[in-house]
Amino acid sequence: AQSVSQHNHHVILSEAASLELGCNYSYGGTVNLFWYVQYPGQHLQLLLKYFSGDPLVKGIKGFEAEFIKSKFSFNLRKPSVQWSDTAEYFCAVTPSGGSYIPTFGRGTSLIVHP
Amino acid sequence: DAGVTQSPTHLIKTRGQQVTLRCSPKSGHDTVSWYQQALGQGPQFIFQYYEEEERQRGNFPDRFSGHQFPNYSSELNVNALLLGDSALYLCASSPKMGRVANTGELFFGEGSRLTVL
Repeated sequence: AQSVSQHNHHVILSEAASLELGCNYSYGGTVNLFWYVQYPGQHLQLLLKYFSGDPLVKGIKGFEAEFIKSKFSFNLRKPSVQWSDTAEYFCAVTPSGGSYIPTFGRGTSLIVHP
Repeated sequence: DAGVTQSPTHLIKTRGQQVTLRCSPKSGHDTVSWYQQALGQGPQFIFQYYEEEERQRGNFPDRFSGHQFPNYSSELNVNALLLGDSALYLCASSPKMGRVANTGELFFGEGSRLTVL
């Protein structure tokens, strides 16, 4: 079975700072990778996903993530965060060709100070 | 276009009681998955329904059961509640696997927060 590890559980940044959230997964085969975000008081929603092709994936609101197969990693980045990026961020993985039932990491709480 | 709706939003039960949570999927979706999210943790997969049958199940005891109706809505039932069942229960919908419309994205509701005393 697959598993996901998110290294940073709590991150506090000031506006305009750069962001990188770590995500590593454990699975022996080909995977699909996701980042979901949960803004305060809102539902979980997809930020970006990787299935195949270019390992640098761009998502909504200026976020991007890079899939490094050799490191089993899918780190989320944003060059300049805004106060509105305050949220919980979840990395998730599914085996390719599987049932699209993602296994989630425990999440990273990001607080951005204005 | 209504997204995923869940009810109730909050509820309090005591140990040993039973609870039923409800979910209506996003319009056009026929597959419903349920997740449990404990405080400070990521969502944990409970089970998935489509065509009114449980198709896949996570590592949850038989006290957790579900149902899907012909209109694709779904219920999650938990019997003999334990303190450890306190969590946010999330419903997620998607088009059926294999359909072109299925992009791997899950659409989540806002959840039902269950407190067991």
